[in-house]
Amino acid sequence: GAGVSQSPSNKVTEKGKDVELRCDPISGHTALYWYRQSLGQGLEFLIYFQGNSAPDKSGLPSDRFSAERTGGSVSTLTIQRTQQEDSAVYLCASSLDPGRTDTQYFGPGTRLTVL
Amino acid sequence: AQSVSQHNHHVILSEAASLELGCNYSYGGTVNLFWYVQYPGQHLQLLLKYFSGDPLVKGIKGFEAEFIKSKFSFNLRKPSVQWSDTAEYFCAVKGSQGNLIFGKGTKLSVKP
Repeated sequence: GAGVSQSPSNKVTEKGKDVELRCDPISGHTALYWYRQSLGQGLEFLIYFQGNSAPDKSGLPSDRFSAERTGGSVSTLTIQRTQQEDSAVYLCASSLDPGRTDTQYFGPGTRLTVL
Repeated sequence: AQSVSQHNHHVILSEAASLELGCNYSYGGTVNLFWYVQYPGQHLQLLLKYFSGDPLVKGIKGFEAEFIKSKFSFNLRKPSVQWSDTAEYFCAVKGSQGNLIFGKGTKLSVKP
């Protein structure tokens, strides 16, 4: 079946612009995760959704970052007033549920470059 | 807070050499541990995972890992590497929200 998909695959933007990144999880997966992969920081966890709810947003790097999920499916990560330090690959993962034994399946990522 | 350390940043091996990549985690309670691999140009995929039971876990492509609680370690091993194993390998522990906490990764280069 289809895996996790993300769009766009690449995004180049100018500093100060807003960007929106999209994640389509595997059908039926209730848990959805956003991570960021950058050279300096490695793989960082940003936010997690169980259904449409994000219980804890403390992993988001700043208040310029926000995320939502609708219909228990598609999620969008929005970065307002982008900065050069936001340049990274943004990864999305989904799992059947957030239980201890569950496997997270990753998408191909969106490479964001802020000029 | 939980954390994961991977000791080797870059490992270079010849084909048929044996591989061991180190991973240590910080949490002393019940842990769920993972190894993910990222081949060049591809997305992260699961190699193997440990939740409970037999501390020697076998994964895909001939990889295995051993959970040693007393050493807080979960090292990845493969008896004989192939050129196609060239990739970046990430050790991870499951966090309180079900998220994965990753190590910095180890790049493996296998010379043909």
